[in-house]
Amino acid sequence: KAGVTQTPRYLIKTRGQQVTLSCSPISGHRSVSWYQQTPGQGLQFLFEYFSETQRNKGNFPGRFSGRQFSNSRSEMNVSTLELGDSALYLCASSSDGDNYGYTFGSGTRLTVV
Amino acid sequence: GNSVTQMEGPVTLSEEAFLTINCTYTATGYPSLFWYVQYPGEGLQLLLKATKADDKGSNKGFEATYRKETTSFHLEKGSVQVSDSAVYFCALRQGTDKLIFGTGTRLQVFP
Repeated sequence: KAGVTQTPRYLIKTRGQQVTLSCSPISGHRSVSWYQQTPGQGLQFLFEYFSETQRNKGNFPGRFSGRQFSNSRSEMNVSTLELGDSALYLCASSSDGDNYGYTFGSGTRLTVV
Repeated sequence: GNSVTQMEGPVTLSEEAFLTINCTYTATGYPSLFWYVQYPGEGLQLLLKATKADDKGSNKGFEATYRKETTSFHLEKGSVQVSDSAVYFCALRQGTDKLIFGTGTRLQVFP
């Protein structure tokens, strides 16, 4: 069974640009969550989508947005990039219900210069 | 709200030493509890889980027991290897809420 696939693995962008990251969940998983990981802040929850609807949202500015398609694939977008947005962005998928942990992808390493 | 507290790292051990990484949680009700591991340059991997009180999760020699009375889920391994060097995250999830992580504990094992 294929795992969670995130593309691209690495990305370098200039301050002020925008970026779109992609995540393909495990087949059959309808929940996709996004996390930002930085050395200083650790793992911070961005948002979760379930059946194309945003179900949970973290405390990030509106520059961070996401969506989920009917095949459960998800994208997140960051507009007007700032240097502080440099991070590892992790996507995770899950079956529903709290008995299930998340399966994570390998992440997208975003560097803003 | 719900939260997870982990011991600060790094934890530095010699190969074959006994490992304990402490994790306590705060939650209303009875969440499911998880340990994840992150190797350098990689995403998080589920190491083990427990879904109700007194459950013991185990995998690859690691164990953790869901203790409701002490709201704890400490990770243990009897004999660590150099290859166990990684960052370990304790986490909880309740219902359809998000997975909540602790701050992570770095383990360094030396030969």
